[in-house]
Amino acid sequence: EVQLMESGGGLVQPGGSLRLSCAASGFSFSIYSMNWVRQAPGRGLEWVSYISSSSSTIYYADSVKGRFTISRDNAKNSLYLQMNSLRDEDTGVYYCARDHNSFGGDRVLDYWGQGTLLTVSS
Amino acid sequence: DIQMTQSPSSLSASVGDRVTITCRASQIIDNYLNWYQQKPGKAPKLLIYAASNLQGGVPSRFSGSGSGTDFALTISSLRPEDFATYFCQQTYTNIYTFGQGTKLEIK
Repeated sequence: EVQLMESGGGLVQPGGSLRLSCAASGFSFSIYSMNWVRQAPGRGLEWVSYISSSSSTIYYADSVKGRFTISRDNAKNSLYLQMNSLRDEDTGVYYCARDHNSFGGDRVLDYWGQGTLLTVSS
Repeated sequence: DIQMTQSPSSLSASVGDRVTITCRASQIIDNYLNWYQQKPGKAPKLLIYAASNLQGGVPSRFSGSGSGTDFALTISSLRPEDFATYFCQQTYTNIYTFGQGTKLEIK
């Protein structure tokens, strides 16, 4: 069974830093690209970042570029998101999600973790 | 970045109703359009991929259509467990974007 479990959320002051982790199990983590997606309280979904299976390709949303760093450790089946210079508007639930090439030809986020809550507040 | 606009933002319907949610992309995205369902306090769940393909395990009352810039998610006969929020997502570009969501509520 595919499982993704995020951890590392908490309360951080504006300007602070935090690292989120996502532990993967039940599939060959090293051959899948991964994503972080977030959701502010009562709001919609916002894609944050993408990393390819080998870490050779990385993308970020403009809202986090230069402040957040995505990484992975395939030996540990783990995905990370280092978040620096945090702002109030970074508050929300952060999900990790597996990226998969669908039979229809497009890419999908086919498995999601349950999320970890980040609160940025003084 | 490609903007995704869903309508309506919210919708009240009854069990047994047929409902359609639309999603419009700000530029052509071929069929690189997915639909997700999210229930309160839960992670999103993939329903439809590549505009019209049903993800495994998703009931056949869900269907998707469209190509280019205009897409739709239809639920043919609402069941109580379908009341949730639905999001479209484009993966045509490397910068994925979601629609703002459509909250489907019980009338």
